[in-house]
Amino acid sequence: GAGVSQSPSNKVTEKGKDVELRCDPISGHTALYWYRQSLGQGLEFLIYFQGNSAPDKSGLPSDRFSAERTGGSVSTLTIQRTQQEDSAVYLCASSPRTGINQPQHFGDGTRLSIL
Amino acid sequence: LAKTTQPISMDSYEGQEVNITCSHNNIATNDYITWYQQFPSQGPRFIIQGYKTKVTNEVASLFIPADRKSSTLSLPRVSLSDTAVYYCLVGDTAGTASKLTFGTGTRLQVTL
Repeated sequence: GAGVSQSPSNKVTEKGKDVELRCDPISGHTALYWYRQSLGQGLEFLIYFQGNSAPDKSGLPSDRFSAERTGGSVSTLTIQRTQQEDSAVYLCASSPRTGINQPQHFGDGTRLSIL
Repeated sequence: LAKTTQPISMDSYEGQEVNITCSHNNIATNDYITWYQQFPSQGPRFIIQGYKTKVTNEVASLFIPADRKSSTLSLPRVSLSDTAVYYCLVGDTAGTASKLTFGTGTRLQVTL
């Protein structure tokens, strides 16, 4: 079956521009996560959508970052007024049930480069 | 927050068994231990998960001692394609997702 799909796979933009990153989770998966991975580093949690409950936004690094999940499916991560330190790979994952204990299925990420 | 500590890198020859240990001294009662594998330019892939003692699946085994303050991922007879970064993750169903800290992982290099 189809896995987690992320688009675009690569994005280059100028400092100060807004960007939108898209994630299509596995159909039927209740939970959805966004992470950021800088070069050679581990994954940094950003936000967690847990079914119909309020999202866990505790990992968002600043108010320039926001995310939505429409209809319990597709999610969009938006970064406003991008800065060079926002350059990283942004990974999305989904799992069949809520609960951060659940094994996660990852997409291959969007590589964001801020010039 | 159950912080995890892993070796930065390991080297192995093809056909050997590889054991990667993760320390999680502050693991909480409800925390599970999950291991992921990540290849370059790909997202992590779930390998195995456990709570205590031993868990085995078709690709790996996970050994967890009684005190649960560490865990060991065992990869039997590795091949070149097992060259990847391996992450240990500790978390529970009730905690906030901010506990999801993957750390820098262990970079495994398998050679002939």
